[in-house]
Amino acid sequence: EDQVTQSPEALRLQEGESSSLNCSYTVSGLRGLFWYRQDPGKGPEFLFTLYSAGEEKEKERLKATLTKKESFLHITAPKPEDSATYLCAVQGGQNFVFGPGTRLSVLP
Amino acid sequence: NAGVTQTPKFQVLKTGQSMTLQCAQDMNHNSMYWYRQDPGMGLRLIYYSASEGTTDKGEVPNGYNVSRLNKREFSLRLESAAPSQTSVYFCASSSVQGQPQHFGDGTRLSIL
Repeated sequence: EDQVTQSPEALRLQEGESSSLNCSYTVSGLRGLFWYRQDPGKGPEFLFTLYSAGEEKEKERLKATLTKKESFLHITAPKPEDSATYLCAVQGGQNFVFGPGTRLSVLP
Repeated sequence: NAGVTQTPKFQVLKTGQSMTLQCAQDMNHNSMYWYRQDPGMGLRLIYYSASEGTTDKGEVPNGYNVSRLNKREFSLRLESAAPSQTSVYFCASSSVQGQPQHFGDGTRLSIL
């Protein structure tokens, strides 16, 4: 069964304090790993797709990396506007499975 | 460009009542999806539609029905609402089948 776990459940950072969010997965035949950002009261907003181990994608202060068992979302020098819940999802075969998310708070 | 639009944004129902959640997208996407999001759980797929005229069950279809009215619109119907269906419902669309990309802002549904 395809599964996705994310850690930590919640993370509080000071503005400028870099950190990483983890997404661990088990899937039969990875077709893609996806990161989304979700603001309170809004739908998820697509950020990245990673397709193979070793691949990296960047967008502003965010960088996503992928290994055969997990993905990291690195946040460099975060700002308060980076506060959101970050969702990870994997596609394997016909399944597309979301993780529960990491709630990030960046304090000024 | 509106993207994915969901109506209503909020709804309170009594057990046994029925209602339809509406979703429309203006990106000419073939694929559309309905998800529910509950605290502490990932988004779970209820139904999806790969193209106009086709629908398929997802992970949690029981108690729901869907209609792909045309390429733009995909509705979700609760025939007899139950408290277990209290949730936030999201509609999504995509140009690549099976990879939800654009989400609406959700319908917050409470069933008493």
